[in-house]
Order: sequence, then C-alpha cells, then structure tokens
Amino acid sequence: GDSVTQMEGPVTLSEEAFLTINCTYTATGYPSLFWYVQYPGEGLQLLLKATKADDKGSNKGFEATYRKETTSFHLEKGSVQVSDSAVYFCALISNFGNEKLTFGTGTRLTIIP
Amino acid sequence: NAGVMQNPRHLVRRRGQEARLRCSPMKGHSHVYWYRQLPEEGLKFMVYLQKENIIDESGMPKERFSAEFPKEGPSILRIQQVVRGDSAAYFCASSADSLYEQYFGPGTRLTVT
Repeated sequence: GDSVTQMEGPVTLSEEAFLTINCTYTATGYPSLFWYVQYPGEGLQLLLKATKADDKGSNKGFEATYRKETTSFHLEKGSVQVSDSAVYFCALISNFGNEKLTFGTGTRLTIIP
Repeated sequence: NAGVMQNPRHLVRRRGQEARLRCSPMKGHSHVYWYRQLPEEGLKFMVYLQKENIIDESGMPKERFSAEFPKEGPSILRIQQVVRGDSAAYFCASSADSLYEQYFGPGTRLTVT
C-alpha cells in the first residue's frame, strides 16, 4: 500500500538557518505529493504541492521537488523565521482514483531567535 | 469565504457514551473527508463522503463508528460506546471535487475518560 516516511523530529534551528525536512514515499503509479503545515491549535494548511515528476512546488520561501528516481519530496527553506515554527506533514494521493491523503507522521519544527 | 468549520473543538466523554462530531465544509464544497490523528502519529484516513453518499469508508473501524453527509446540514462523525483508544484529534477536510486539494478544519479533540 501507499506510505510516506518523513524525518523524525523534533527539529530545532536558529533563525535564518537552512532547513531540510526529508520525505520519501512508496506508492503505485504516479502520486501527487504535498506538504501541509499545522500551526499550534489550528488545522492543516496546504503549503505546496507537485503533481508530476520533476515539478517543483513552492510557497512562502519553501520549496520541494518531486524526484521520481529517488521517490522523494524533501522540503527546503533557505532562511527560516520564528514564525515557521509548526508541525510539517508530507503526504500523497495515489492517482488511481483514490482521493484519500496518506500522511507521514509529521515533523515538529522549532525556530529559536 | 469561511473555511471548514468543526465543532466542538474539544469534547470529553466517559467510556460508553456517544461522541458526535460535526463538520461544515467550505461553501461550494460537496466532498468531505474525515481523518484521525492519534497521539504522536500522522493523520489516518477514515472516510470520504459526498452529499448523501459514502464513497470510501475503508479507514473506518468496522464497529461503533459511522459517518453521514446529509443533503442539508453538516457532516457528522458518530462514535458509539467510546473507549479510551478513541481519544484522538479528528480532522475534517473538504474539496470542491475529488481532484486533490483538500482544505482542513481545525479539528475536534476527543478525550475519553
């Protein structure tokens, strides 16, 4: 079945540091890939997505590239801010008429000033 | 345009009671998904509904859990005879169609004592 494995947390970085959160997946066919972010006490918000190989999703300074050869979708940001502190979830939807999201376990990120 | 609404935000039930969780999708959205997040785990798909129809309930426990999305009114996730293992955050998401972008509500945190 489909599965997503992401870097375990928690991750603590200083402000302006470079961020990478690793995500790899297993899926049949060619899934669409997502990163969601969950701020304290809130629901999940879609951060970025990519629907085919070599696509790069980007938003708010975050980027992730769909790498079919390594089945990866790592999240990166060049210079993190305190406001980026949140839990980040990698997820996929298989494209065989399956609408359900399959999530990783989430990575808690804390940015210290 | 209001987002996905869930209520209550927090619900405490004693073992054996019933829990009823409500989800109002975004305006214009006719697809609703329920996910459960157990402590320290990622979100797990439970059920996918369209108006008056259950499309996919492959993630629902076979007993005590049911879901509906009537023609009028919110979607309801119902848990009968709750047990401590039902304690979790339950998230609802909605979309305008089945093509991937799901918008999440803030979740209902169920505690069974």
